[in-house]
Amino acid sequence: GDSVTQMEGPVTLSEEAFLTINCTYTATGYPSLFWYVQYPGEGLQLLLKATKADDKGSNKGFEATYRKETTSFHLEKGSVQVSDSAVYFCALYIKAAGNKLTFGGGTRVLVKP
Amino acid sequence: EPEVTQTPSHQVTQMGQEVILRCVPISNHLYFYWYRQILGQKVEFLVSFYNNEISEKSEIFDDQFSVERPDGSNFTLKIRSTKLEDSAMYFCAGGTSSYEQYFGPGTRLTVT
Repeated sequence: GDSVTQMEGPVTLSEEAFLTINCTYTATGYPSLFWYVQYPGEGLQLLLKATKADDKGSNKGFEATYRKETTSFHLEKGSVQVSDSAVYFCALYIKAAGNKLTFGGGTRVLVKP
Repeated sequence: EPEVTQTPSHQVTQMGQEVILRCVPISNHLYFYWYRQILGQKVEFLVSFYNNEISEKSEIFDDQFSVERPDGSNFTLKIRSTKLEDSAMYFCAGGTSSYEQYFGPGTRLTVT
């Protein structure tokens, strides 16, 4: 079946450091890919998305590129802030597989001042 | 900016009791979903709802679960007879398209 694998956390960084969170997927069809972020005490917020190969999603300084050849969608940010401390979830969607998102396990990121 | 809301934020219930979790999606949403996350595990799909009927459900969504959108605004998840293993965070989501889903803050259900 379809699945998403993320690097395990927690990831602890200093402010202004470079952040990468790895995400790879296996899918029976051609997925759309998403990153969601969950800040403490809040729900899942859509951070960015990409719907086809080589698309780059970007938002709030975060970027991720849909790499079909490596089945990956790694999240990056060049200079993190304390306010980026959250849990990040990679997810995929395949319409033919039903109207559902399949999530990775989440990666907790802690940014220290 | 409108948001998906969920009530209550935390529900404690005894095993065997019925619970109803409530969600108010954004008004122009057409697709509605419930997901859950057991502590320390992945977010799992439960059910999707479109055009006033279930369009997809997972193996988790057995006869103990039901969903309703009774008044065109609220979207509810009912668990008829709760089990200890139903303890989880339950997320409602909605969207104007099937693939772009906007989530509520979740209801933490604790079954004792």
